[in-house]
Amino acid sequence: GENVEQHPSTLSVQEGDSAVIKCTYSDSASNYFPWYKQELGKRPQLIIDIRSNVGEKKDQRIAVTLNKTAKHFSLHITETQPEDSAVYFCAASIKIGYSTLTFGKGTMLLVSP
Amino acid sequence: DGGITQSPKYLFRKEGQNVTLSCEQNLNHDAMYWYRQDPGQGLRLIYYSQIVNDFQKGDIAEGYSVSREKKESFPLTVTSAQKNPTAFYLCASSMKTAAGYGYTFGSGTRLTVV
Repeated sequence: GENVEQHPSTLSVQEGDSAVIKCTYSDSASNYFPWYKQELGKRPQLIIDIRSNVGEKKDQRIAVTLNKTAKHFSLHITETQPEDSAVYFCAASIKIGYSTLTFGKGTMLLVSP
Repeated sequence: DGGITQSPKYLFRKEGQNVTLSCEQNLNHDAMYWYRQDPGQGLRLIYYSQIVNDFQKGDIAEGYSVSREKKESFPLTVTSAQKNPTAFYLCASSMKTAAGYGYTFGSGTRLTVV
């Protein structure tokens, strides 16, 4: 089955800096890659996603890039703010029959004022 | 207000007991899922269901059981066979299980063995 590796496990930045979280996946058939943000004690929420026919997608301060050849994708957050502090999960899904999301282990992002 | 509701928020289980976690959605989603979250382990899939009266095992199904008698409901039973049940349990739903459909998560149930 699919295996998703996520790095780093923790990331500390100063407010205003950029943050980058990287994920790799094992199954070349994967074609959908969402990112979820989970604030402390709350439910994960979808913040951005990308499909395999797209190399990059942006939404205000966040962007996701996908390199299908290398089988990795990354989340970029610019101009970080304290409210960006949370755990971020990447995931991958295959479009064949029944498909479920396989998640990375998460990255705890801490943004210091 | 559309959404997915999990109850209870906190649950305590004694050794040897079965407990059932509730998950209800009013989003008219076909697919529903149960994930277990442990510190540093990410989210691991327990069971999922594409349609009523059908469900599939995920990666860590041992010691758990589910039912899907109604489209809106997907309860999870943690049986006494689950040796390490203390965890945060998340229910999710999506329009379909096909790739490209993001999940909506419930707010979770924290289960503790006492």
